[in-house]
Amino acid sequence: DAGITQSPRHKVTETGTPVTLRCHQTENHRYMYWYRQDPGHGLRLIHYSYGVKDTDKGEVSDGYSVSRSKTEDFLLTLESATSSQTSVYFCAISDSTGSGANVLTFGAGSRLTVL
Amino acid sequence: AQTVTQSQPEMSVQEAETVTLSCTYDTSENNYYLFWYKQPPSRQMILVIRQEAYKQQNATENRFSVNFQKAAKSFSLKISDSQLGDTAMYFCAFIYSNSGYALNFGKGTSLLVTP
Repeated sequence: DAGITQSPRHKVTETGTPVTLRCHQTENHRYMYWYRQDPGHGLRLIHYSYGVKDTDKGEVSDGYSVSRSKTEDFLLTLESATSSQTSVYFCAISDSTGSGANVLTFGAGSRLTVL
Repeated sequence: AQTVTQSQPEMSVQEAETVTLSCTYDTSENNYYLFWYKQPPSRQMILVIRQEAYKQQNATENRFSVNFQKAAKSFSLKISDSQLGDTAMYFCAFIYSNSGYALNFGKGTSLLVTP
């Protein structure tokens, strides 16, 4: 996961509290993504970004918001965490050009537990 | 809607043997990319192999190869000479159309390599 870091790696919080997960990249890639991973569901896309201040929803975006004010940072916010948002969250980056086009590189994941 | 189906939730293989993991997908597009990712117990997502739909030749990476059948929308992964380190969850993935090159993942196949 060189070039992409997620923080925090582990977090326990209570229902109703806000939570922000941060994804930071040093690769200058245009595209950034947030996925969640749950048993029996694989990885599901929450939100993605195709440039600074350019974001869009994925298939499971309800209850989540994102922001990208700089190329290198993509923030995922749970405004009011619920137990159903207990999951492992992965950030990924992608370059749309060159030999690595369309290949997603993933961060190490952030495990969030909502009590 | 585009879907990716992995019909084998769990598989096992003995060390040095060959195993094939199945994946089917559904799309109306003609040009696209398909991927296999590996997730070992460390939870890190690792790219195994990538196939471009317009290339008829099956992709190969060392012990890993694919059988890409475009008309049948099938994309299976063959692992030859299985090693203990191949024990992992394997995900088949397909690029979403109109979603910033995000990947749409299957639910995964858990592969156990035994001595």
